[in-house]
Amino acid sequence: GENVEQHPSTLSVQEGDSAVIKCTYSDSASNYFPWYKQELGKRPQLIIDIRSNVGEKKDQRIAVTLNKTAKHFSLHITETQPEDSAVYFCAASESGNQFYFGTGTSLTVIP
Amino acid sequence: NAGVTQTPKFQVLKTGQSMTLQCAQDMNHEYMSWYRQDPGMGLRLIHYSVGAGITDQGEVPNGYNVSRSTTEDFPLRLLSAAPSQTSVYFCASSYSRGPYGYTFGSGTRLTVV
Repeated sequence: GENVEQHPSTLSVQEGDSAVIKCTYSDSASNYFPWYKQELGKRPQLIIDIRSNVGEKKDQRIAVTLNKTAKHFSLHITETQPEDSAVYFCAASESGNQFYFGTGTSLTVIP
Repeated sequence: NAGVTQTPKFQVLKTGQSMTLQCAQDMNHEYMSWYRQDPGMGLRLIHYSVGAGITDQGEVPNGYNVSRSTTEDFPLRLLSAAPSQTSVYFCASSYSRGPYGYTFGSGTRLTVV
């Protein structure tokens, strides 16, 4: 099955700086890569996704890039704010009914 | 539109007890799944369903059963609870024509003593 690795496990940045979280996947058949944000005690919420026919996608301060050849994708958050502090999960799927998640990155934005 | 509704929110079981975690969605989603979340291990797929009457195993199915008699409901049954099943359980759903990201329920925090 698919194996998704996520780095780093923890990340601290100063408010206003950028944050980058990286994931790699093993199954070349995976074609959909969502990112989730989970605040403490809450449910994971989809923040951005990318499909394999696209190399980059941006939504305001967040962007995701995908390198299919290298089998890695990354989440970029610019101009970080304290409310960006949360755990972020990447995931990969071939079919859309089974998702394989990374182990999460705990992001802390220091005011 | 309530989205994905999970009950109960919290539960304490004794080893060997059985129980059912309820999950319902009102978005007419075909796909539904159960995940467990443990510290440092991310979200791991227990069972999933691609439509009413169809279920399949995920990464960590042992000790759990599911059924999908309707599009809306996807209960998870713990047959004989063990301390290793102490976890936070999330139900999730999505449309089949995609793929699309999941919508998650609010979770059930289960403790087995």
